[in-house]
Amino acid sequence: EAAVTQSPRNKVTVTGGNVTLSCRQTNSHNYMYWYRQDTGHGLRLIHYSYGAGNLQIGDVPDGYKATRTTQEDFFLLLELASPSQTSLYFCASSDEGEQYFGPGTRLTVL
Amino acid sequence: GDQVEQSPSALSLHEGTDSALRCNFTTTMRSVQWFRQNSRGSLISLFYLASGTKENGRLKSAFDSKERRYSTLHIRDAQLEDSGTYFCAAETQVVGQLTFGSGTRLQVYA
Repeated sequence: EAAVTQSPRNKVTVTGGNVTLSCRQTNSHNYMYWYRQDTGHGLRLIHYSYGAGNLQIGDVPDGYKATRTTQEDFFLLLELASPSQTSLYFCASSDEGEQYFGPGTRLTVL
Repeated sequence: GDQVEQSPSALSLHEGTDSALRCNFTTTMRSVQWFRQNSRGSLISLFYLASGTKENGRLKSAFDSKERRYSTLHIRDAQLEDSGTYFCAAETQVVGQLTFGSGTRLQVYA
């Protein structure tokens, strides 16, 4: 069974704070993705990666950095968090086909 | 511009009735995935289609194999537990990039 886990599941920070969201997949997939979902909307792609050390820009990358340290681990970094980044964040993995999603991280920036 | 147009945006169904959701794409897509999101935010994958149709219990999905410009999700004999927000997401010609629709909020009532 495909497995994508995220941590933390909930996070509250203040404006200007530094936040790292973590994602781990045990599917041996090459592709990993970070999405954000704002209330009442679909998911939007922030960054994605083809493999360890690779990083690609998605549709809404401003204010975010990402790093893929291993095939399993993909991190999303918010170095100066702003209230506009309050959102539900999803990680996913795939191998040129179906994407498997994690449970999400709810981030609130006060 | 928007590449995935999902309809209807909201739907209310009486238990036991049938309905269909639709996603139109402004360009040819490689594949489509359908999801249901519950009130807690969890994203459940329903179908992944690169072509043709798939069926799972009371749910059936189809992806236009000829022009690859639309997909449908049929719900048969709607039950209370089918309530939630349904999203389609289509993979563009860039491998791995999913574009989500805005969702259909479905409420099934007794």
